[in-house]
Amino acid sequence: KQEVTQIPAALSVPEGENLVLNCSFTDSAIYNLQWFRQDPGKGLTSLLLIQSSQREQTSGRLNASLDKSSGRSTLYIAASQPGDSATYLCAVGGGADGLTFGKGTHLIIQP
Amino acid sequence: DGGITQSPKYLFRKEGQNVTLSCEQNLNHDAMYWYRQDPGQGLRLIYYSQIVNDFQKGDIAEGYSVSREKKESFPLTVTSAQKNPTAFYLCASTRQGANQPQHFGDGTRLSIL
Repeated sequence: KQEVTQIPAALSVPEGENLVLNCSFTDSAIYNLQWFRQDPGKGLTSLLLIQSSQREQTSGRLNASLDKSSGRSTLYIAASQPGDSATYLCAVGGGADGLTFGKGTHLIIQP
Repeated sequence: DGGITQSPKYLFRKEGQNVTLSCEQNLNHDAMYWYRQDPGQGLRLIYYSQIVNDFQKGDIAEGYSVSREKKESFPLTVTSAQKNPTAFYLCASTRQGANQPQHFGDGTRLSIL
């Protein structure tokens, strides 16, 4: 059964720093990996989706990488801002039958 | 604007009562999903549906039921058999295809009276 682990569970950094969030998964037979952002009491906002054949995806200050063979993904956030404070969730997809999620990284950017 | 609407935002259940959570989407997506989120936990899949009149159990389907009579709607019923229903429930949808991103509603928070 697929398991997804996110490290660290929580992170607090000063504004302006570059940071990396980590995600690992146990079964490399995935179709894609998706990174989401969740604000308190809200639903999930999709940030980036990396297909299994891709190595990375970029959107603005966000860059996500995927190493399927080692079961790892990273989310890089450049020049962090207080508005980036949220919980970041990593999820892997096995096709059309839903996603398997990690527990998330709670990120706080100090002004 | 297209999106996913979940209602109500907050719901309270009495002992022995069934309650139904609504999920409606106007994105013309084929597949819809229900997830449960407990504090400090990731999301867990309850049920999903890839086409109208068809749905499959996820990892934690016991105590829940669903229907998919219309493409736009995928209601979730939390039955009295679900002994620990207090959680945040999230509905999602996606286009057909293995590499389509899932889009989420704003969730329903269910509590026990």
